[in-house]
Amino acid sequence: EIVLTQSPGTLSLSPGERATLSCRASQSVSGTYLAWYQQKPGQAPRLLIYGASSRATGIPDRFSGSGSGTDFTLTISRLEPEDFAVYYCQQYGSSPPYTFGQGTKLEIK
Amino acid sequence: RVTLRESGPALVKPTQTLTLTCTFSGFSLSTSGMCVSWIRQPPGKALEWLALIDWDDDKYYSTSLKTRLTISKDTSKNQVVLTMTNVDPVDTATYYCARVLHSSGHFDYWGQGTLVTVSS
Repeated sequence: EIVLTQSPGTLSLSPGERATLSCRASQSVSGTYLAWYQQKPGQAPRLLIYGASSRATGIPDRFSGSGSGTDFTLTISRLEPEDFAVYYCQQYGSSPPYTFGQGTKLEIK
Repeated sequence: RVTLRESGPALVKPTQTLTLTCTFSGFSLSTSGMCVSWIRQPPGKALEWLALIDWDDDKYYSTSLKTRLTISKDTSKNQVVLTMTNVDPVDTATYYCARVLHSSGHFDYWGQGTLVTVSS
């Protein structure tokens, strides 16, 4: 089973700053099958990025994804107040199970 | 418009069997490529994938929980049911169902979740 490790665990930044979140896999992941989600308190996760770099419907272009193999990155170019949340990466192998990372909490500095 | 909604008991006693239902609309599980999955999240913790059923009635389970889980579907009712046997307090979590397209591998639509507490 592929293990996803996200870093940092908590990221403290101010609105307007750039956020860089990392997701590292224990084995190579097809970029087609790497996704990122945003979760706010009391809400279900929301799909942000799929296929490592494609934005989901309605996601602002300040969110971008990159990476391949075992290293993937979610970048938020200029933080808005509503971007402070927990972010999860997720991978899908050639067959399930799916796995999620442990999450990165993005908090206001 | 795609929607999913989870339902089930809010409180379950240890050793009992938990049954959760996902009722969805906006797509059909008889359409090739469609899948529905269950994911859970203990309070303050990360997401954990549990099970998936696809349009062809193929079923997949978390390696660590597969002996306790059963997933099934009722296509005519647009429902997917997850049962978990022999629950324990560590199974206390918010349980989500989500849609997956077989070719994509990501969860594009989620229900709002249902909190299940396991306690005597």
